[in-house]
Amino acid sequence: GAVVSQHPSWVICKSGTSVKIECRSLDFQATTMFWYRQFPKQSLMLMATSNEGSKATYEQGVEKDKFLINHASLTLSTLTVTSAHPEDSSFYICSAPIAGDNEQFFGPGTRLTVL
Amino acid sequence: AQKITQTQPGMFVQEKEAVTLDCTYDTSDQSYGLFWYKQPSSGEMIFLIYQGSYDEQNATEGRYSLNFQKARKSANLVISASQLGDSAMYFCAMRVNSGYSTLTFGKGTMLLVSP
Repeated sequence: GAVVSQHPSWVICKSGTSVKIECRSLDFQATTMFWYRQFPKQSLMLMATSNEGSKATYEQGVEKDKFLINHASLTLSTLTVTSAHPEDSSFYICSAPIAGDNEQFFGPGTRLTVL
Repeated sequence: AQKITQTQPGMFVQEKEAVTLDCTYDTSDQSYGLFWYKQPSSGEMIFLIYQGSYDEQNATEGRYSLNFQKARKSANLVISASQLGDSAMYFCAMRVNSGYSTLTFGKGTMLLVSP
């Protein structure tokens, strides 16, 4: 199947710093990518839809100024958590659909810990 | 809006036995897809099986089968001959075939397979 990578796989940072997470589609082009957040022992919650060449669409309750999304190319979307705080500690996972394919391909996820 | 309900927070099964994980869904869309994903402790989302709303046959993939009962809006996952490596979190998800192709997830079921 298609491959989606994420970098870094885990990150620990101090409160107040910004963290950038990259999501890449390695062997296909993705005009759309999704960013999910998963708190411990909970389900995946959609944060935003990243669209290549245009602004991201955020789900209700997700602060667009805090979670900056940039989809600069057909294979790369980035999520920047600005001024991170301990409550932002979570597992962030991206996914990309392929047109005409039923499966949605997930990255391996990034575990963020804010101290 | 779509909703996925998984009523079993946890399930225990003995190795080599079959187990059924329940999933019910709610949508007003006529065209949709149902998915099951496995999430081991590493966090990666592993695609298991897909069922389209217009598929007349229940989907099967190796030891996984999906018991699709459209009138009851249920899409239960059946794992035959459980293995120790099947211990993980299992998520049922839905995607409607209009607008965004994002997935709506249930809360998940933790499956523990004992020797």
